[in-house]
Order: sequence, then C-alpha cells, then structure tokens
Amino acid sequence: AQTVTQSQPEMSVQEAETVTLSCTYDTSESDYYLFWYKQPPSRQMILVIRQEAYKQQNATENRFSVNFQKAAKSFSLKISDSQLGDAAMYFCAYRSVSTGTASKLTFGTGTRLQVTL
Amino acid sequence: NAGVMQNPRHLVRRRGQEARLRCSPMKGHSHVYWYRQLPEEGLKFMVYLQKENIIDESGMPKERFSAEFPKEGPSILRIQQVVRGDSAAYFCASSPPGNYEQYFGPGTRLTVT
Repeated sequence: AQTVTQSQPEMSVQEAETVTLSCTYDTSESDYYLFWYKQPPSRQMILVIRQEAYKQQNATENRFSVNFQKAAKSFSLKISDSQLGDAAMYFCAYRSVSTGTASKLTFGTGTRLQVTL
Repeated sequence: NAGVMQNPRHLVRRRGQEARLRCSPMKGHSHVYWYRQLPEEGLKFMVYLQKENIIDESGMPKERFSAEFPKEGPSILRIQQVVRGDSAAYFCASSPPGNYEQYFGPGTRLTVT
C-alpha cells in the first residue's frame, strides 16, 4: 500500500518570503500522480498543483512550484512571495494511474502554514 | 458549472441516531469518492462509487456505514447508530470518466452529542 509522509506539522513564513513544504511517499509503482491540496479555515479542499510522475519537468502554477525527485520519492512544494491568504493546511496526496480500486487519493497528515507580517 | 454540492454543511446527531450525508457531483461526473477527516488529521478514503455500483469500499468501517450512488439523485453516505467517534468532517469528491483529478465539495461536519 502507498503511504504519504509530511514530516513538518507546522511551518511559518514571513509575508513576501519563500517557504518549502516537504512530502515523501512510498510506492512500488512506476507511474502515478501527486498533488498538493490547500485547506483554509473554511475547510474547502483546493487543488494547488499536480504532477504526473512520467513527466520530468517540475510543475509550476504561478507562485507555486514543486521539486519532484522521483528516485528519492520526494515531492516538495515551494511557495514564493508568500501572501497572508496562503495561510492554511497543506496536504500532499498520491494517486495511482490505475483505475478501479486504485483510484483513491492517499493523503499525508498535513502541514499547517502560518504567514506573518 | 456548479461545483460539488454537499448537504447539510453541519449535522448534529445524538448517539444512536442515523446520519445521512448527501453529495451531488459536478455535472458530467459519474465517479464519487467519500473521505473522512478526523480532527487535526488528514483525509482518509472511505468509498468509491460509480453510478449504481460500489467500486472500492476498502476504507469503510464494516458496521453501521453504507454508501450508495443511485442512477438518479445524489450519492448518500449513511451512518447508523452514530457514536461520538463518528464526529468528523466528511468530504465528497467527484471526477468524470477517464480523468484523474478529483474535485472536492465543501464537506459536512458531523457532530455526535
């Protein structure tokens, strides 16, 4: 079974600075998808960024980018120019490319990000 | 295109009562997933359904919990004889066929008193 580990329960960053959230995962599969979700106090799950494992290029979405190291099974999220609205819980998630019973998302335990002035 | 809808947003039940949580997927989405989030924890998969079929229920507790996704109408997660430990946020997500992304609803927060 796949597992996702987020070793940083809490992180803090000053406004306009850059922060990196860590995520590692364990799988025996060679192809899969990885995601970062944001959960603000409203509890709505918002997809921040996605990465297909077969793509070597790291995904980027505006101020959000990932560092995907497939051999190390590492998938970190970098937030540049942090804003107060970035304060939230961030969850890393894994999904197999297989359909059927393998299509569920496996989540890490989350990192709470605080943004200070 | 409206997003994934869940109702109610908040549900309070006394121990021993039944809880029914509803999820209306996005238009064109025939796949529905249910996840549970206990306080201060990540989301845990419960069940995956397609129209009229349960595809994967490996995350569902063996007793008291059931789910359905009928041909017409929303998906329903049903919890019978609720206990305090069932207090959690329950999220529904949907996806269209052949798409790996899941779109989440706002969740239902269940409180058992």
